[in-house]
Amino acid sequence: DAKTTQPNSMESNEEEPVHLPCNHSTISGTDYIHWYRQLPSQGPEYVIHGLTSNVNNRMASLAIAEDRKSSTLILHRATLRDAAVYYCILYNPDNYGQNFVFGPGTRLSVLP
Amino acid sequence: GAGVSQSPRYKVAKRGQDVALRCDPISGHVSLFWYQQALGQGPEFLTYFQNEAQLDKSGLPSDRFFAERPEGSVSTLKIQRTQQEDSAVYLCASSLGRSYNEQFFGPGTRLTVL
Repeated sequence: DAKTTQPNSMESNEEEPVHLPCNHSTISGTDYIHWYRQLPSQGPEYVIHGLTSNVNNRMASLAIAEDRKSSTLILHRATLRDAAVYYCILYNPDNYGQNFVFGPGTRLSVLP
Repeated sequence: GAGVSQSPRYKVAKRGQDVALRCDPISGHVSLFWYQQALGQGPEFLTYFQNEAQLDKSGLPSDRFFAERPEGSVSTLKIQRTQQEDSAVYLCASSLGRSYNEQFFGPGTRLTVL
C-alpha cells in the first residue's frame, strides 16, 4: 500500500486559513487522494478526495501538486469545531485488494 | 437519515472473556468494514464484507477474531478469549460499494480488557 507522510501536529488560530500538507511520493497513477478527519470520541468522517485536479467542497479545498507527489488540505476559516486528527489516505477504488491505510495523521489544534 | 450505529459504545471485559460488538450500517450499503484503533494511532483495517460475503479478512490479528454479516446488513465482530492487547476502539464503516470513495464510520466501541 502506498504511504503518506504528514506532520504530527499543527496549530491554527480561529477564523484563519489552515494548510495541512501530505507527502505521497510513491503514489501510483490510479490512486485517489482522500482526506478524512476524526473529531474527539467519534469515528472518522470524509472530508474530500481528488485524483489530479484541485477540488472544492463545502468543507474544504484540496490542492494537488502537478506531479501528484504531495497535496494540501485547505480549511479556509478554521473554527473550534475543526480541531481534529486529519488523515491523508491513498486509495484506488478499482484495486480490489486495496484497503484504507490510515497513518497517525495530523492533530490540528485551533486556538480561540 | 440514520448513520452507522455501533453497540455497545463501551465494553469492559476480563481477560479470557468472549465479547461481541455490533454494527448497524446505513441501510442499502453493500460494503461493510471493521477497523481497530489503538490509543493515539490511526484506524487499522480488520475485515471487509460485500453483502453477506466476507471477502477480505487479511487484517484480523488472530484466529480469536471472527466477524459475520449473515443477512448482509447488521454485522458482529466477535473476539474470543480476550487479551489485554485487544483493548482498542473498534470502528465499523459502510459504503455503497467498495468502488465508492466515501466510507461512513460509526462512533466505535471502546473495548477495555482488564
